[in-house]
Amino acid sequence: KNQVEQSPQSLIILEGKNCTLQCNYTVSPFSNLRWYKQDTGRGPVSLTIMTFSENTKSNGRYTATLDADTKQSSLHITASQLSDSASYICVVNPGGYNKLIFGAGTRLAVHP
Amino acid sequence: GAGVSQSPSNKVTEKGKDVELRCDPISGHTALYWYRQSLGQGLEFLIYFQGNSAPDKSGLPSDRFSAERTGGSVSTLTIQRTQQEDSAVYLCASSPGKGQEKNIQYFGAGTRLSVL
Repeated sequence: KNQVEQSPQSLIILEGKNCTLQCNYTVSPFSNLRWYKQDTGRGPVSLTIMTFSENTKSNGRYTATLDADTKQSSLHITASQLSDSASYICVVNPGGYNKLIFGAGTRLAVHP
Repeated sequence: GAGVSQSPSNKVTEKGKDVELRCDPISGHTALYWYRQSLGQGLEFLIYFQGNSAPDKSGLPSDRFSAERTGGSVSTLTIQRTQQEDSAVYLCASSPGKGQEKNIQYFGAGTRLSVL
């Protein structure tokens, strides 16, 4: 069964600290993996998208990594800001389809 | 418009009533998706429209759910005889459908449906 598992479920960090969110997937075939940020009451916004051949991709203070062999991805947030408080969702595209498989998300709270 | 627009933002209805949720995609986007997001769950695919092709309805949970996309633009998701388990946030997304970013989905803010 195609699944996307994210950990931790929730995380609290202090402003200025770094954190890493994890995503494991069992989706096959695989086309690409995306990380989305979803603010409370808003729709998800794309942060990064990586294909099979890409190991890392950055978007400002966000850096995503992908290990297609172990089917793991991580999202690293550097020097966190209060505005980083949101849910971060890992999404896998099984390829050839337009139905993405979404993880349940990690809820991040950044405290001053 | 500048982004995907959904209305209403919130909808409270009584069990057994019908509801209509509206989505205005980004102008020029040929692909449109509906998702359901329940508390603590990942987004659940409902239906996908691409241009004039027949929609992919494989995610619709029951025959009480239906969706239309008129003129290749605005879409309406209809839920008939609502049940309490239908309570969720319904998200709409659109994507260009062509070019390098053809599958990048841009989401609306969603409609929060509460069935009492």
